[in-house]
Amino acid sequence: DQQVKQNSPSLSVQEGRISILNCDYTNSMFDYFLWYKKYPAEGPTFLISISSIKDKNEDGRFTVFLNKSAKHLSLHIVPSQPGDSAVYFCAAMGSGGSNYKLTFGKGTLLTVNP
Amino acid sequence: DAEITQSPRHKITETGRQVTLACHQTWNHNNMFWYRQDLGHGLRLIHYSYGVQDTNKGEVSDGYSVSRSNTEDLPLTLESAASSQTSVYFCASSPSGANVLTFGAGSRLTVL
Repeated sequence: DQQVKQNSPSLSVQEGRISILNCDYTNSMFDYFLWYKKYPAEGPTFLISISSIKDKNEDGRFTVFLNKSAKHLSLHIVPSQPGDSAVYFCAAMGSGGSNYKLTFGKGTLLTVNP
Repeated sequence: DAEITQSPRHKITETGRQVTLACHQTWNHNNMFWYRQDLGHGLRLIHYSYGVQDTNKGEVSDGYSVSRSNTEDLPLTLESAASSQTSVYFCASSPSGANVLTFGAGSRLTVL
């Protein structure tokens, strides 16, 4: 049973436009959400995160929105650049105790065309 | 600079052989994790550790084992490699209480 879902395997956008990557989760115990970016032959790198007590977090061109009632989050990249082309993973962490492991979605391949 | 290193980066082995993938971090992080990445599955947790002598099973732990004898290292052992274990393996670490994991560059394992 997949607890973190990224239903779009791929997304293609033009340089300068907005990229929107979506993620849904099913586990109500998740209270912290992260986005990782991964280039080929490299490890995933942390991009941005959001706590469940917030509905938005912004860092430069990257903004993450969280809708707790819908169990949905999205990553907005504005403006998109060719260097943003990578696989983006949504991840979630549960609350309580010493629970520091991440559950990942399957990833979305973003291609930004010049 | 502190870092997390995985070795080997690439390995080819035969079915039934024992394989060990190394993970070494110099941040003195208490938490360490092993994930595998497969097409169509994303990143799945194999084993994790929250400190020396502590190990826990993740969602895909069958056929794998880990041991944590010091803070810096969490080796992943495949007791008898199977073709289904052909994958890219990522080690990650984080400080106690942290939400963000830092990943290594990965080890690509092919089991023939």
